[in-house]
Amino acid sequence: EAQVTQNPRYLITVTGKKLTVTCSQNMNHEYMSWYRQDPGLGLRQIYYSMNVEVTDKGDVPEGYKVSRKEKRNFPLILESPSPNQTSLYFCASSLMGGRGDNEQFFGPGTRLTVL
Amino acid sequence: DQQVKQNSPSLSVQEGRISILNCDYTNSMFDYFLWYKKYPAEGPTFLISISSIKDKNEDGRFTVFLNKSAKHLSLHIVPSQPGDSAVYFCAAIEGDNDMRFGAGTRLTVKP
Repeated sequence: EAQVTQNPRYLITVTGKKLTVTCSQNMNHEYMSWYRQDPGLGLRQIYYSMNVEVTDKGDVPEGYKVSRKEKRNFPLILESPSPNQTSLYFCASSLMGGRGDNEQFFGPGTRLTVL
Repeated sequence: DQQVKQNSPSLSVQEGRISILNCDYTNSMFDYFLWYKKYPAEGPTFLISISSIKDKNEDGRFTVFLNKSAKHLSLHIVPSQPGDSAVYFCAAIEGDNDMRFGAGTRLTVKP
């Protein structure tokens, strides 16, 4: 089954404790991205990657890091989480960008709470 | 600065009637628009899209209309069904990957 998986689905942590949210897709997609969803703000892009070893900042990259060492995986790293990073996070992938037939497929989401 | 706006946070309609969800944008460089649907505890799923060279695209019960001069698009669902109850996000693209999302509209279809 074609899918985007994220782990963990739920996480409660404390300020300053480094964490990683994993994202994996099995569709051989080149493009992957991370979004956060906050009430009244919709989905905002954090980082995206056009291909292996190619990453770029989205709208809200501060406080986050990513890496793309393999095509299928695109982990999101919070080196020193803060309460304002409490949010619902989505990973997405597509063949290329999000146009035409290349619409993005989203993972199920990771709800992160930083105390 | 929200470039894509969905001004109605919620909408309630009766089963069988038409649902109209609206979206406005400010960036005239957007040239591709999409609607995503999101159920609770799931990621958004693609619903329908439209290129800026068109003003209408239809897929079954779902039709998206684009008015470029007004920088406005809308999603029509006819007839609405209880299973359509979800949050709907409007999204717009400039270039190949610069996608912007609206804040979402929660649609409730009452039986």
